[in-house]
Amino acid sequence: LAKTTQPISMDSYEGQEVNITCSHNNIATNDYITWYQQFPSQGPRFIIQGYKTKVTNEVASLFIPADRKSSTLSLPRVSLSDTAVYYCLVGPPGYSSASKIIFGSGTRLSIRP
Amino acid sequence: DTGVSQNPRHKITKRGQNVTFRCDPISEHNRLYWYRQTLGQGPEFLTYFQNEAQLEKSRLLSDRFSAERPKGSFSTLEIQRTEQGDSAMYLCASSLVAYTGGNLVDEQYFGPGTRLTVT
Repeated sequence: LAKTTQPISMDSYEGQEVNITCSHNNIATNDYITWYQQFPSQGPRFIIQGYKTKVTNEVASLFIPADRKSSTLSLPRVSLSDTAVYYCLVGPPGYSSASKIIFGSGTRLSIRP
Repeated sequence: DTGVSQNPRHKITKRGQNVTFRCDPISEHNRLYWYRQTLGQGPEFLTYFQNEAQLEKSRLLSDRFSAERPKGSFSTLEIQRTEQGDSAMYLCASSLVAYTGGNLVDEQYFGPGTRLTVT
């Protein structure tokens, strides 16, 4: 199983760019990298998913180097509302084994005024 | 609101009692997942359905746990003879696997969860 390692916590300030890196040294060829955001007492919310290079959507960018052993979630110009736990997970989407998707403990991001 | 609903939102029960939770996924989603989450930890996969078929079960899912998804719509998760260690948030998610921009994307939409407390 592809296990992920993330920082336990990070602090930043409003308006800054925040980069959260995730290590996944034993990622498999058919694994995708997905990031979720979770606020207290709510279910996780999908942020972004990618396989290689760079993926960008309206809320974040995901950078994946060629060896795919790590990935970086980039949040541009964060606000107080971005304070949450961010999970990096690695696993096969589509019609493959869902049980291989592991959330881990996540990164607790705190944004200050 | 993601469109996935779960009931009840909170359940307090005594050890040894049976409990049942319900999840209503987004109607066009064919995949439905159950997770368990304890304080300070990420969600742990329990089981998943593709339409009405239960395709995978985690080893975390003991024989006291059973899940169903009749007719491929809503799903129920039942815990028999509850134990204090079953206290957790039980999350349901649904998804529709699709190709987006050349990538296969499996975006799971999570419900608000059911918080179970076993006393």
